[in-house]
Parts: sequence; C-alpha cells; structure tokens
Amino acid sequence: DAGITQSPRHKVTETGTPVTLRCHQTENHRYMYWYRQDPGHGLRLIHYSYGVKDTDKGEVSDGYSVSRSKTEDFLLTLESATSSQTSVYFCAISDTSGATTDTQYFGPGTRLTVL
Amino acid sequence: EDQVTQSPEALRLQEGESSSLNCSYTVSGLRGLFWYRQDPGKGPEFLFTLYSAGEEKEKERLKATLTKKESFLHITAPKPEDSATYLCALRGSGGSYIPTFGRGTSLIVHP
Repeated sequence: DAGITQSPRHKVTETGTPVTLRCHQTENHRYMYWYRQDPGHGLRLIHYSYGVKDTDKGEVSDGYSVSRSKTEDFLLTLESATSSQTSVYFCAISDTSGATTDTQYFGPGTRLTVL
Repeated sequence: EDQVTQSPEALRLQEGESSSLNCSYTVSGLRGLFWYRQDPGKGPEFLFTLYSAGEEKEKERLKATLTKKESFLHITAPKPEDSATYLCALRGSGGSYIPTFGRGTSLIVHP
C-alpha cells in the first residue's frame, strides 16, 4: 500500500470555525490532491499541488485553501466551515515517472461533519 | 473536455455469475485509464492502469481491457467479497495532470 496517511480520520466541528486536514505521504511523489466525495456527486477535486509551494484550484475550491511547505505534507483548510462542507475528504498522490506514471493512490479519508 | 461514463450504475450478481462493467470515454489523446475499487468507508484502492488500446491486465477474478472508446472490467465467477464500488478514471494528454473520474458502478454479489 502507498504510504499515505490522513489526520484526523473523523472530525465534528461547528459552523464558522476553521478546520485543517492533513495529508502525509512517504512515497516522495510530486503531485498531491484533495478530493471530496458526496453521494450523487462522486469524487470532486478541490485543490492539487504539483510541487512544494505550487498549488492550483480544482472544480470545487470555493471556501477551501491549501498549503504545501514540504514534499510530504499537503494541508487543506476550511477557513470558515459551513454545513455544505460536511463530506468525506480524500487525499491522493501521483508521480510523473516510473512504472506507475500518473496513477493516483488514495489515503483512507477524513469524515468531516459541520454542525 | 475529457468525459467518462460508467454503466451500469448498480449491478447485482449471484455468486459465480460472471459479468462486465463498462467505462466509456472521450479524450483527446489517452495518457492512461485507471480502475479503482472502493469499499464503504475507505479510500479508492488502485487496481489497474491501461495505457493503449488492446492492452489487458488481470488480477485474480478481475480482468480489465481497453479499446479506443471504452474499457471493460470483467469479473469472472465473483464472490461476495468482490462487492464494492468500482471507479474508472482517465488522464488525457492535454496540459492538465488532473484525471477525470466516472461516477462508479456499485456491485453487490449475493452468496
């Protein structure tokens, strides 16, 4: 299994509070991604990173920010959580060389509930 | 714009009843087509990557095939433990490194 961990695995928070989710990898892959998964919508990309300090928006980036100060860590911040951000969040990694070029490997997910 | 459509949305099989899941796609130059398995409450688990039409890959009871317009995931003599949602995704050769995912096929195998 690819070395990807996410923390916390579960979180309950209140509307209006900031929340930070962490993704940590031990594979030294260049690309890291944050997705959310909701019933009826499938996986939707929030933000991704193509290197340290290099990030870009995905299709559902409003209300989210990211940071990547080290190759192994990718943080997702909900600046002011809303109930519509209740979801399961997945981190993924991929690389652009080697036998598994472009293949994404996913973390175990974080279940976030915003009350 | 790259597009991925998976069918059926849901499939119920009896144990041992072989079947196929379909992933049809449109892309301007295929860089890779990916199959994942996702169990409830877990992240998608990588199964296969296919890079060119005619390519096939196998793992236990699963076999993935690829043509220029679609990919199939064949399940031979399935067991209840094969029950999961199967996701298809692709990456085109355009400038973006962002894959396009299908909505998935939910497979239930009854004993």
